Amino acid sequence: EIVMTQSPVTLSVSPGERATLSCRASQSISTNLAWYQQKPGQSPRLLIFAASTRATDIPARFSGTGSGTEFTLTISSLQSEDFAVYYCQQYNIWPLTFGGGTKVEIK
Amino acid sequence: EVQVVESGGGLVKPGGSLRLSCAASGFTFNSYSMNWVRQAPGKGLEWVSSITSSSTYIYYADSVRGRFTISRDNAKNSLDLQMDSLRAEDTAVYYCARVATVRYWYFDLWGRGTLVTVSS
Repeated sequence: EIVMTQSPVTLSVSPGERATLSCRASQSISTNLAWYQQKPGQSPRLLIFAASTRATDIPARFSGTGSGTEFTLTISSLQSEDFAVYYCQQYNIWPLTFGGGTKVEIK
Repeated sequence: EVQVVESGGGLVKPGGSLRLSCAASGFTFNSYSMNWVRQAPGKGLEWVSSITSSSTYIYYADSVRGRFTISRDNAKNSLDLQMDSLRAEDTAVYYCARVATVRYWYFDLWGRGTLVTVSS
């Protein structure tokens, strides 16, 4: 099973600042990685797939990079609606696995 | 509107059974693989089970294999999860999620979830 490790667990950021979230895979997953955003009481929402492709209607301030085992989600200028928990997910090998999440909170 | 709506959650005793359902609408259900993903209270996301569009291939997480059964009825645009021999650690919100593409198993459509509580 591929273990996905996200860091940090919690990220405190001021509105308007940049947020950088990391996701590491225990073995290479090429670019078969997705990022999701989940707000309290809501279901997850797809942000990024194929490591760097934004999903439909996702603002350009969200960007993803990486391949192999190291991946990054960057939010260029945090808006109030971006404070949430972010999960990465690999779909390179079964079983599908998620990272433990990074909570982005207001500083 | 493109959506999936889960139902069937509730309180069940350890060792009991429950059947979850997911009703799909607004898209061609029989063209998409479907999944169940769960989230224990205050915890992260855990993939549970997947089924391809024609039910040809079915996958389970080790934690539920042999106890849970996924199925679908394309004529009714529905996805089910039969959960037997339930344990306390199965307590979670269960989400129905659509796979975005035939080849790549990431999830582009999620329901609001249904809560399953396993407790005596």
